Amino acid sequence: DVKVTQSSRYLVKRTGEKVFLECVQDMDHENMFWYRQDPGLGLRLIYFSYDVKMKEKGDIPEGYSVSREKKERFSLILESASTNQTSMYLCASSWGRVAEGYEQYFGPGTRLTVT
Amino acid sequence: AQSVAQPEDQVNVAEGNPLTVKCTYSVSGNPYLFWYVQYPNRGLQFLLKYITGDNLVKGSYGFEAEFNKSQTSFHLKKPSALVSDSALYFCAVRPFTDKLIFGTGTRLQVFP
Repeated sequence: DVKVTQSSRYLVKRTGEKVFLECVQDMDHENMFWYRQDPGLGLRLIYFSYDVKMKEKGDIPEGYSVSREKKERFSLILESASTNQTSMYLCASSWGRVAEGYEQYFGPGTRLTVT
Repeated sequence: AQSVAQPEDQVNVAEGNPLTVKCTYSVSGNPYLFWYVQYPNRGLQFLLKYITGDNLVKGSYGFEAEFNKSQTSFHLKKPSALVSDSALYFCAVRPFTDKLIFGTGTRLQVFP
């Protein structure tokens, strides 16, 4: 079974703090993704990566950055957390690209609250 | 604009009855279509996908979906609902880009 793990299930941070969300997958997937999930908005793509040290912006990259130093690990960074970044963050990975029809496998999510 | 719509926020069905969760899309070209399910406090789990071929796709847990190109729909169905099917269901579409567009989700409630 594919396993995607995220470092925290729940996280509470203060406005202005730097926040790191970690994601690890154990299936040697090429591709990794970060989404945020908000009620009534579905999932929105923040960043994705097709290879180590490569990253591409998704639909809502503002206020976020990412790092992929190793194939199995993809980190999401909130440089200066703000209250509008309170959300559920979901990491996903896949063998191949979306354009090839590969499905994504998701982690359990991190519910981040910024106060 | 590329989009996917799940017109029902919630679907209620009695256990043992058939269920349908609706999804329509608006994309150019030949879309790839996916269904995911999210159980409480869990991440999304892949259910099934349509890439090409037979319009009726079978997936996990007895679910199936029918791709209808003329109606631009990809409705999720199950002949006999279980209480354990209660969850949040997401439809997703890949347009011509290399990203997935997710719907807003439909909460399925199956009553005993």
